[in-house]
Amino acid sequence: AQKVTQAQTEISVVEKEDVTLDCVYETRDTTYYLFWYKQPPSGELVFLIRRNSFDEQNEISGRYSWNFQKSTSSFNFTITASQVVDSAVYFCALSEVSGGYNKLIFGAGTRLAVHP
Amino acid sequence: DAGVTQSPTHLIKTRGQQVTLRCSPKSGHDTVSWYQQALGQGPQFIFQYYEEEERQRGNFPDRFSGHQFPNYSSELNVNALLLGDSALYLCASNPGSTYEQYFGPGTRLTVT
Repeated sequence: AQKVTQAQTEISVVEKEDVTLDCVYETRDTTYYLFWYKQPPSGELVFLIRRNSFDEQNEISGRYSWNFQKSTSSFNFTITASQVVDSAVYFCALSEVSGGYNKLIFGAGTRLAVHP
Repeated sequence: DAGVTQSPTHLIKTRGQQVTLRCSPKSGHDTVSWYQQALGQGPQFIFQYYEEEERQRGNFPDRFSGHQFPNYSSELNVNALLLGDSALYLCASNPGSTYEQYFGPGTRLTVT
């Protein structure tokens, strides 16, 4: 069965600290996609990144970076030099693509609080 | 370019009543999905519509139903509301050929 686990419920850091959000997934499919979404207090989920199962290259986008390791079924997200605006709930999600369907299976989320 | 829009923003209903939530997808998107997010939890997939048909459904009872219109907009209907249906209902859209779903701001439903 598909499952996404975000073991960290809440993380609190001081501005400019680096922080890593963990994500572990389970799937029997060989083809799948992994995602990270940000949910600020307004409630709208904001898409951050998509990674397919055949591409294990790490990715960096400004202060954000992602580390995908199939060997450990992990897709971790690091924010460098965190800012107060990074405070939000972050969700990791998995999508299997068999049959052309793409429902998202979300983890429980990690609430990140960045303090000045 | 307007993103995904949902209406209403907030809604308060009584147990046993019925509710209809609405969603307009992002321009150029033909696939709409609905998710339920209970407080403190991750979103749970309800169902997905493509070409006006439900093509995938999550583990939700038949009280939850939907519809997609020719302009790709969608409705989510919930009958015989229960207290446990109180949640944030999120609509997401994507072009049929790619897998990035873009979410609307959600409708906060409170059942009393």
